[in-house]
Amino acid sequence: DGGITQSPKYLFRKEGQNVTLSCEQNLNHDAMYWYRQDPGQGLRLIYYSQIVNDFQKGDIAEGYSVSREKKESFPLTVTSAQKNPTAFYLCASSILQVSNQPQHFGDGTRLSIL
Amino acid sequence: GQQLNQSPQSMFIQEGEDVSMNCTSSSIFNTWLWYKQDPGEGPVLLIALYKAGELTSNGRLTAQFGITRKDSFLNISASIPSDVGIYFCAGPMDSNYQLIWGAGTKLIIKP
Repeated sequence: DGGITQSPKYLFRKEGQNVTLSCEQNLNHDAMYWYRQDPGQGLRLIYYSQIVNDFQKGDIAEGYSVSREKKESFPLTVTSAQKNPTAFYLCASSILQVSNQPQHFGDGTRLSIL
Repeated sequence: GQQLNQSPQSMFIQEGEDVSMNCTSSSIFNTWLWYKQDPGEGPVLLIALYKAGELTSNGRLTAQFGITRKDSFLNISASIPSDVGIYFCAGPMDSNYQLIWGAGTKLIIKP
C-alpha cells in the first residue's frame, strides 16, 4: 500500500544531542513537509521541499535541519540548538503540480527530552 | 498575513447529537480542506472543497465551501464515539504550496 512512514514512533534526546527523524513516502509525491505540533495547538511548518536537493524554511526552522537527497525521503534533524524540542513531529507529502492538492500525513514521531 | 480561525475550540457532545464547526479567514481561499486527527496519529483528510458554494458529503460528514470564499463549515450527523478527536481546517497560501492551518476543534463525547 502507498503511504508515508515515519520512524521511530517515540524518540528520546539527551541534552546536547542531535537526533534524526525519518520520513519515507512511496506515493511518488514531489513535495514533502515537516510540521511540529505542541499539545492543544495546531500544526506549525518547520521545513518543506518541493524537489530533490532543494528545501525552504518554514515558520519555525531554527534549531532544525533537513536534507532531500531522494524523492522518497525527507529526514529531519533536531539539533542541540533547539532548546525546546519536546513535541509531536509530523511529516507530510503532496503532489506539487497543482497547488491545491491535499497533504497526506504519516503517523508522527513523539520526541521527548531525557 | 493569512490566518484561519476555527471555532469552537472544543465541543462536549452526547452520542447521537449533530455537530457543527466552522473555519473563517480574512482572506479568500480557493480550496478548503478538513482533516481529523486521532490521539497519537497524523491528520487524515476527510473532505476537500474546491468551489465556492460546494457542498460535499463523506458518510455522516458534510462540509460546505462558503459563498464568500472566506469560510467553510463541517457538520457531523448522529455522532458516535469514534468521532472524538481534533478536526482541522486548512487552505493553501496564495504564493506557494504551503497550507495554512486552523488551531483545531476538539470533539469530546460526554460520558
